[in-house]
Amino acid sequence: QSALTQPASVSGSPGQSITISCTGTSSDVGGYNYVSWYQQHPGKAPKLMIYDVSKRPSGVSNRFSGSKSGNTASLTISGLQAEDEADYYCSSYTSSSTYVFGTGTKVTVL
Amino acid sequence: QITLKESGPTLVKPTQTLTLTCTFSGFSLSTSGVGVGWIRQPPGKALEWLALIYWNDDKRYSPSLKSRLTITKDTSKNQVVLTMTNMDPVDTATYYCAHRGPGIAAVDYWGQGTLVTVSS
Repeated sequence: QSALTQPASVSGSPGQSITISCTGTSSDVGGYNYVSWYQQHPGKAPKLMIYDVSKRPSGVSNRFSGSKSGNTASLTISGLQAEDEADYYCSSYTSSSTYVFGTGTKVTVL
Repeated sequence: QITLKESGPTLVKPTQTLTLTCTFSGFSLSTSGVGVGWIRQPPGKALEWLALIYWNDDKRYSPSLKSRLTITKDTSKNQVVLTMTNMDPVDTATYYCAHRGPGIAAVDYWGQGTLVTVSS
């Protein structure tokens, strides 16, 4: 299975909204509503931000939202804040009953 | 609260077998729907999913690494062990173990990770 495709970098100014895409195939993203998103700050373990395409774990800001259309999932961060600067990874369940991660996106707050 | 911690060698030689142990607390791997997985991240690179073991001993492996990986659990010790054979310098990475909760197709708690370097 190949890694899901994400843009290498996305940037925005404080207060703006940004969207990160995650493109897979019908064997992963398009086939299941099991896409998750992780935030990773330098030197830290990843943190779950979104699961099952659009659900937020307890404690995650509602500025983070997820969606999916066909083989592409998206993570939107609204009201961008300095603390949102991090790497973001998507992940999907696959037809092999395994999981696959995305290539990762570096978010920069200008 | 749920915590996980990885342990094992920090340095292995090429061709050797790596054995990593994940010791966890705050949940039981005998609870229906629960799983523990392993994910790695080479320095400066992306996350890579490796393996997952479920409460019922169902095991799933990355297709590209399946021949080299074995995941086992010891429910009484609250531990999950990952072995990876024939280590190569490209396997140098931070290895994480993580908890998969019941009814959630994602890992919601992560260990701090352990850096494993493969070098002669």
